[in-house]
Amino acid sequence: AQSVSQHNHHVILSEAASLELGCNYSYGGTVNLFWYVQYPGQHLQLLLKYFSGDPLVKGIKGFEAEFIKSKFSFNLRKPSVQWSDTAEYFCAVNDGFSGGYNKLIFGAGTRLAVHP
Amino acid sequence: DADVTQTPRNRITKTGKRIMLECSQTKGHDRMYWYRQDPGLGLRLIYYSFDVKDINKGEISDGYSVSRQAQAKFSLSLESAIPNQTALYFCATSDSPGNIQYFGAGTRLSVL
Repeated sequence: AQSVSQHNHHVILSEAASLELGCNYSYGGTVNLFWYVQYPGQHLQLLLKYFSGDPLVKGIKGFEAEFIKSKFSFNLRKPSVQWSDTAEYFCAVNDGFSGGYNKLIFGAGTRLAVHP
Repeated sequence: DADVTQTPRNRITKTGKRIMLECSQTKGHDRMYWYRQDPGLGLRLIYYSFDVKDINKGEISDGYSVSRQAQAKFSLSLESAIPNQTALYFCATSDSPGNIQYFGAGTRLSVL
């Protein structure tokens, strides 16, 4: 079965530090890749997505992610975090081409705390 | 107004009670989903529906049932609630396979 691994469950950073959150998935075929963010007390929102094309995708609020097919990875990065980035981040994978229902598989999430 | 609305936002119930969580959407999407979120486990799919006549079990459907009353409405029921169903429940919609899913604000359920 498909799986998504997020290596860091909790990350604590100071403002202006750089961020990289790891995400690896197990499916070997064509995939759609997503990062969702959940701010405290709020619903999940799309941060960025990769469907095809340039493997370096840019999302909202200065986030970007790089799809490396050979490593089955889709790591999230931000050069300089802010206190307002404190949230939980979820990587998700959808094998959008298998026909029928295309399941969106979520990682366990990474809880990021940014201190001023 | 939110595109995906869940009611109630919070619910406390007792073991053995039947409860219903409701979801409605104004996005016009055919596909709707119910997930539960537990700390350290991410989101797990309970049920999904491609249209009013299509209901499918997800990975953790035991103890739950759903009803797709209309394209815009998808309800989740716990027939006899148990404490390990205490969780945060999310409804989501999408317009096509593989595409972005849009989430509601969630329902926090506590079963005592």
